[in-house]
Amino acid sequence: TQLLEQSPQFLSIQEGENLTVYCNSSSVFSSLQWYRQEPGEGPVLLVTVVTGGEVKKLKRLTFQFGDARKDSSLHITAAQPGDTGLYLCAGAQSGGSNYKLTFGKGTLLTVNP
Amino acid sequence: DARVTQTPRHKVTEMGQEVTMRCQPILGHNTVFWYRQTMMQGLELLAYFRNRAPLDDSGMPKDRFSAEMPDATLATLKIQPSEPRDSAVYFCASGWLSGNTIYFGEGSWLTVV
Repeated sequence: TQLLEQSPQFLSIQEGENLTVYCNSSSVFSSLQWYRQEPGEGPVLLVTVVTGGEVKKLKRLTFQFGDARKDSSLHITAAQPGDTGLYLCAGAQSGGSNYKLTFGKGTLLTVNP
Repeated sequence: DARVTQTPRHKVTEMGQEVTMRCQPILGHNTVFWYRQTMMQGLELLAYFRNRAPLDDSGMPKDRFSAEMPDATLATLKIQPSEPRDSAVYFCASGWLSGNTIYFGEGSWLTVV
């Protein structure tokens, strides 16, 4: 069972366009993270959102955590070729000494010059 | 520049052979994760350790996979015997259990023929 559904799976756009990718779940998470992964490398953390309704901005990237802490979105303004990569969301579930990070399958973004 | 180090980076082996992947977590991190990434399943959590003790290995096929942390600077993932369906990229990641940030290595690319 895939706990985190990401959409779209693939996205190919032209430089300068805006885009939004989504991460949805029926589960509640204590926090949600977004990663970017480039070919041949491991995922790199972009941001962590913790509070329901939280919005965080990282230059041209805007991350939002849903009010119920079950979903999140990533919006990129004026995409650039350097934004190309696999964007992964990951939900954290913690309790006591346990901490589990579950990943979605990702959105593969290609920004064409 | 602290980083998670994984060896080997690439491995091609024949079905039935034993494969051992190694990970050196970032010094001082108390939690180590093993993930497997494939196109079909995305990133799947295989096992994780806190302070060298296994906390959860429910994602790992028990009959052929084993994960250990002989000391704080080394985590191993062993597959014996290997099968073609084990072909994937295996990532190690480390972090602080109480924190929200984990750092991934560059992965071990395994091909079983």
